[in-house]
Parts: sequence; structure tokens; C-alpha cells
Amino acid sequence: GQNIDQPTEMTATEGAIVQINCTYQTSGFNGLFWYQQHAGEAPTFLSYNVLDGLEEKGRFSSFLSRSKGYSYLLLKELQMKDSASYLCAVSDSNYQLIWGAGTKLIIKP
Amino acid sequence: ETGVTQTPRHLVMGMTNKKSLKCEQHLGHNAMYWYKQSAKKPLELMFVYSLEERVENNSVPSRFSPECPNSSHLFLHLHTLQPEDSALYLCASSHERTGAAEAFFGQGTRLTVV
Repeated sequence: GQNIDQPTEMTATEGAIVQINCTYQTSGFNGLFWYQQHAGEAPTFLSYNVLDGLEEKGRFSSFLSRSKGYSYLLLKELQMKDSASYLCAVSDSNYQLIWGAGTKLIIKP
Repeated sequence: ETGVTQTPRHLVMGMTNKKSLKCEQHLGHNAMYWYKQSAKKPLELMFVYSLEERVENNSVPSRFSPECPNSSHLFLHLHTLQPEDSALYLCASSHERTGAAEAFFGQGTRLTVV
């Protein structure tokens, strides 16, 4: 079966760095997405990785290792507004998105 | 404003009611999706429309009936729902159906079945 695993909840301190991991087992791979979802709001796109390596976008970076079936989202200089759920999704061989259950990130002052 | 608008934002309905959820996008996208989001569970893809043609139906019960009259509008018709159908229903659109395209989501309809 197809499976995406990510931690249910993480807590971090304002100004610090946090890494949210995502491991996947899918039939085929056509890219991995990260989305951010604030409570009661729509998920919004953060990043897309299809090749191995690190993609940096401001305070957020996303890493992919296809051989390990592994990705992480790195958030630097954490702000209170970064409190949200972070969703990992993989596009499989049929270009269907397989979603993780999301990681709820709590930022404390 | 995400470019994808869903109405209503909240809906409470009885098990014998019939209601419809509406989704509208003016992003010029060719693909539209209905997702179900339950607490602490992965997003569940329900239906996919590409160029107004339904291309996927992931074993969704017949009490959910989608309709896509044009490339900008998508409906989800609901009838004789069960309490376990209570969830957040999200509409999304993307430029193309392939899974390499960024999806834009609406803010969802919070559905409660009583």
C-alpha cells in the first residue's frame, strides 16, 4: 500500500529552527509537496521537490532524498504566525497525490 | 484570498436532507478536485475533474454526487448523509491534472451531519 508518515505534533520556540520530517512509500514518484494550513483556513503551497537536494525559499527550505523515501521541511527564525499544520504529499506514478495526516506545529514565545 | 471560493463555509444538515456545496475558481485552471479532510487523518481525494470530465472517483459512496457544469464551477450534491460524513470538504484547482502542478485550495465547507 501507499503510505506517508509525518509526526503528529511538534513544539518549538519563537526564533528557533525546526525540522519536520516526512517519509513515504509510494508506487512511483513524481514529486513531493509541502503545504501549510492554518486552523480554519485553506492549505497553501510551500514547496515542490522532484530532484534530490535542498530547495531554499526564504525562511523555509525543503529537502528530498528519493533513495531514502525521505523529505524534511526546515523552518528558520520561527515566528508565532508559523503555528499551523504542515502537510506532506507525494505524487505517485499515476500523478495522484498521496497525503500525510499533517504535522501540527506549535510555536511558544 | 486563494482564488478558489467555496460556499457555504459551514453547513449543518440532517440525515434526510439534500444540500449542495459550491466551488468556484477564476484562475483559468483546467482541473478541479473535491477532498474530504477529517481530524488527524490524511486528505482523502474524492473526485477529480479535468476539462469538465470526471477522471477519478475514489470509491466514494453514491450519497455524494459531483457536478462540473463548466471549468470554473464545481458542485458536490449531498443526500442521505451519515454522521461519519461530518468533516471539512475542500475544493481545489490546478493548472493541469498532473500531480506536478501546485493546487490552490478553497477554505472549505465545515459539514456537520446530525
